Amino acid sequence: SQQGEEDPQALSIQEGENATMNCSYKTSINNLQWYRQNSGRGLVHLILIRSNEREKHSGRLRVTLDTSKKSSSLLITASRAADTASYFCATRGETSGSRLTFGEGTQLTVNP
Amino acid sequence: DGGITQSPKYLFRKEGQNVTLSCEQNLNHDAMYWYRQDPGQGLRLIYYSQIVNDFQKGDIAEGYSVSREKKESFPLTVTSAQKNPTAFYLCASRGLAGTGELFFGEGSRLTVL
Repeated sequence: SQQGEEDPQALSIQEGENATMNCSYKTSINNLQWYRQNSGRGLVHLILIRSNEREKHSGRLRVTLDTSKKSSSLLITASRAADTASYFCATRGETSGSRLTFGEGTQLTVNP
Repeated sequence: DGGITQSPKYLFRKEGQNVTLSCEQNLNHDAMYWYRQDPGQGLRLIYYSQIVNDFQKGDIAEGYSVSREKKESFPLTVTSAQKNPTAFYLCASRGLAGTGELFFGEGSRLTVL
């Protein structure tokens, strides 16, 4: 199965609410990254958190990493309709060199 | 503007034909990647290259081939040996001295008729 697995698969919320997506992985990592993909487009990098970091912020995004549980969460605060997209976590394993392994994503829908 | 350009955006192929997807970057990145994405799913690594004239197989390399003759270019050929080639193909690049993030092209959608 995929190194990164997101939960939930789909999430529908109202504008202004917060959205939380979770990612679990199996092996030790160097870093974990979150990407966003609008329908039919390429992925865009959002944020990277290293294995020795526990929390990171970027604008309305907050990422946490718990290496003991091999899990991460992405929180989007005060969501907007424009946040509607698929969100993927990706991990760079300690022994995977240049490879980045993606999960299957969470489809977020923000209703106006 | 710096970035990654994939072409064509849409491609139709008859069964038994080989097709080549183009990926060009002007970011001066060393590493380049090809991923496949099926509907509602994540990305699976096909091939990647960290340096000119060198590349490694990813998780689903069977039925695909690549070349890396120039730093800027990493074309992907989908051969007739690929049994289920209909998919969305994404090319990405990364500067090896950077933070580790990937920069993606806009993708190429291949449909086998």
